[in-house]
Amino acid sequence: GAGVSQSPSNKVTEKGKDVELRCDPISGHTALYWYRQSLGQGLEFLIYFQGNSAPDKSGLPSDRFSAERTGGSVSTLTIQRTQQEDSAVYLCASSSGRSTNEKLFFGSGTQLSVL
Amino acid sequence: GNSVTQMEGPVTLSEEAFLTINCTYTATGYPSLFWYVQYPGEGLQLLLKATKADDKGSNKGFEATYRKETTSFHLEKGSVQVSDSAVYFCALNSRGSTLGRLYFGRGTQLTVWP
Repeated sequence: GAGVSQSPSNKVTEKGKDVELRCDPISGHTALYWYRQSLGQGLEFLIYFQGNSAPDKSGLPSDRFSAERTGGSVSTLTIQRTQQEDSAVYLCASSSGRSTNEKLFFGSGTQLSVL
Repeated sequence: GNSVTQMEGPVTLSEEAFLTINCTYTATGYPSLFWYVQYPGEGLQLLLKATKADDKGSNKGFEATYRKETTSFHLEKGSVQVSDSAVYFCALNSRGSTLGRLYFGRGTQLTVWP
């Protein structure tokens, strides 16, 4: 596609519910990242996928968070038993995966609100 | 560890004013430094980058110089426009870390009035 696409753009859920956030990266990009942007905070790294390698999950804040990437393309970030502190903008980014200084292409994000 | 500290916003300027947004960092190894910009309703996009000491990144009239001695990467523009209104993020990628993994500052909101 023309850019990184994320859906939904907004999600309101009740505390304790599970949510799934979707990311469609740029076609051909092998690297995919999830970041979280909380109010007044910087972007917090969550997880990284590169090709067929095991993902780097070191940024996931708890075991309620998980992510998968099917067929090396679309990724889904799942948050189980959501808490109010999970409210944030969840950003997905992709890149070609060829160098350490390459540009990341970001989606517009999913605004998650947990009531 | 790796971290980025940038000046608190919001910053409000009149059109054609001079802009400086301060950014300092701590890093293991020799980082590459970036400025990303987020325009209203859009995703973050790379504005400029510098990969080694004394390098100057530039784009769209913005500049930033990688200063190893002061561990800084301040963003400057000589004459801002209304269209520059956005949130600006300073970031670093420390060599040896996850490919492409960036450490971001908190962002600085810039508003330019005509």
